[in-house]
This record gives sequence, C-alpha cells and structure tokens, in this order.
Amino acid sequence: GAGVSQSPSNKVTEKGKDVELRCDPISGHTALYWYRQSLGQGLEFLIYFQGNSAPDKSGLPSDRFSAERTGGSVSTLTIQRTQQEDSAVYLCASLKATNTGELFFGEGSRLTVL
Amino acid sequence: GDSVTQMEGPVTLSEEAFLTINCTYTATGYPSLFWYVQYPGEGLQLLLKATKADDKGSNKGFEATYRKETTSFHLEKGSVQVSDSAVYFCAPLRSGGSNYKLTFGKGTLLTVNP
Repeated sequence: GAGVSQSPSNKVTEKGKDVELRCDPISGHTALYWYRQSLGQGLEFLIYFQGNSAPDKSGLPSDRFSAERTGGSVSTLTIQRTQQEDSAVYLCASLKATNTGELFFGEGSRLTVL
Repeated sequence: GDSVTQMEGPVTLSEEAFLTINCTYTATGYPSLFWYVQYPGEGLQLLLKATKADDKGSNKGFEATYRKETTSFHLEKGSVQVSDSAVYFCAPLRSGGSNYKLTFGKGTLLTVNP
C-alpha cells in the first residue's frame, strides 16, 4: 500500500478483555516499530522488529503486552486483560532504510478501556 | 540510556511570529537527530533531520542545527503560519549495528492564531 495501515482506528473495550491491534507496514521497509502515545507522555517505545533478528522488546510495559510479526510484514500487538491505564493511541511505524533512520507512521489505533 | 528533553508546551503564537522549540538530548556517541511533526488528525511525519555535527536540517521554512557542544537541536522558524499548528517531536536516533531506535521527546503543541 501507499502508507502504513493500522486497524482498528478506534477500539473501545471493557477492562479485562484482550485486544489485538494490527499494522501493515510499507512493502519493502526493513523494520517495524510500535509506540504508545498517551496524553502528556509523548511517544513511548514498545517494541521493534528488524528482519529475522530477535525483536527488541525492552519497551513493553508488562507481560500483558506482546507482539509478533509474521512473514516479515504484518504485525499484531496484543494486550491481554486490558487495564484503564492501557488507554492510549498505539502507533506503528516502518523504517524506510537503515541509513536514513526515517520512520513512516500509521495514523494509529486509539484504544479506550472502560 | 538515551533521552531527550523538549520544551514543554503548549506554545501559542500569532501568525508571522518567530518560533523556537528547544530540544536537548543525551545519547551515546553522536546520533542522527530528527524533528517529527503531527498535524491534527494525521500520523507523525518527518519534518527535518541532521546526521552529523554542525549540519543544518531544513524543510517548510523550519530549521534546526546539530550542536554537538551543547547536545542540542533547537527547531526554529522565522514566520509561522496557521497551518504550522501541530505537535512537534524531537528525536535522536540510536544506532548500533543493524539496530535503529528513535527516542522521542514528549512533544510540543504549537497553536498559531491568525
């Protein structure tokens, strides 16, 4: 596609439910990132996939959060047993080329946990 | 670890005013430096970048100079427009081997009034 695509764009869920957020990166981009954007908190790094290397999971806030990237393309971020503090916009980005460092972002998935 | 300190907003200016948004960073070595912008209702996009000391990044009338001695990358524009209203993020890029990770500041909300 022309850009990074994320779905759903909006998700409202009840506390304790599991949610899955999907990211379709730009074809041919080498790496994929997940960030979380909360009001007043800026962008918080969650996880990073690069080729076949082990992902950098250092930003995941708890073991309720996990992500996978299938076939080096589509990625799914899963949040189990959601809590109200998980409410945020979850942003996915893909990397154009490692020597430029330019990320291309999707428009995000807004998660609201009631 | 890497970190970035960005001028807190919100910043409200009148059209044609001069803009400065301060950004300082701490990082190992000399990272590439980026400013990203998020217009209302849109995803983040790259505004400008600088890859080495004393480089000046520029785009859409915005400029930022990579100051190694002060570890700063302040964003400036001589005459802002209403269309510049957005959230601005400063981000150093940490790279090591094949790994690239952007650490974002908290963002500065700019509102330009006509």
